Amino acid sequence: DAKTTQPNSMESNEEEPVHLPCNHSTISGTDYIHWYRQLPSQGPEYVIHGLTSNVNNRMASLAIAEDRKSSTLILHRATLRDAAVYYCILRGSGGTSYGKLTFGQGTILTVHP
Amino acid sequence: DAMVIQNPRYQVTQFGKPVTLSCSQTLNHNVMYWYQQKSSQAPKLLFHYYDKDFNNEADTPDNFQSRRPNTSFCFLDIRSPGLGDAAMYLCATSESDIPNSEQYFGPGTRLTVT
Repeated sequence: DAKTTQPNSMESNEEEPVHLPCNHSTISGTDYIHWYRQLPSQGPEYVIHGLTSNVNNRMASLAIAEDRKSSTLILHRATLRDAAVYYCILRGSGGTSYGKLTFGQGTILTVHP
Repeated sequence: DAMVIQNPRYQVTQFGKPVTLSCSQTLNHNVMYWYQQKSSQAPKLLFHYYDKDFNNEADTPDNFQSRRPNTSFCFLDIRSPGLGDAAMYLCATSESDIPNSEQYFGPGTRLTVT
């Protein structure tokens, strides 16, 4: 399975933008890039996903590098409620890993008031 | 509105005593997943159902079983819990298992084994 690499932790101030990086140099052409987050004591929550083009939704934006070997999740204005573990996950379309979410260690985001 | 419901939220069982965790969904999704999340670790997929088709992960211990009697409900049975099975168990659903589909997670059941 293709792997992702994320920083262990990041910090931000409230109401400032946050850029969460993810490296996935072994991504295959049919792998989707998904982001989930997990707030304390809750189940993971879908944030956004994309394949090649940048994506925006009400929660965040996803910027995907042209070679697809890295991506960045952008929270435009961090709030205290955005403090969570953010997981960058490749979701493949081939073989035994078809469609599965394989969570890595993620990035712990701390938001300061 | 609750979409993926897990009961109970907290479960205490004794070493070796069978325990069942339940999950229900109001989304009418085809796929239901069970994940195990140990303390300070990432969730790990145990198995999933696509409709009635059961898909077990290769490294899921035989101690873990699952049942899906209908679209709405899915159960996780731990036949003989050990101390190492103490974890948060997460249920998730998805309309499909295609790679661009979203998964919706429940709040989890935290299992303690005494």
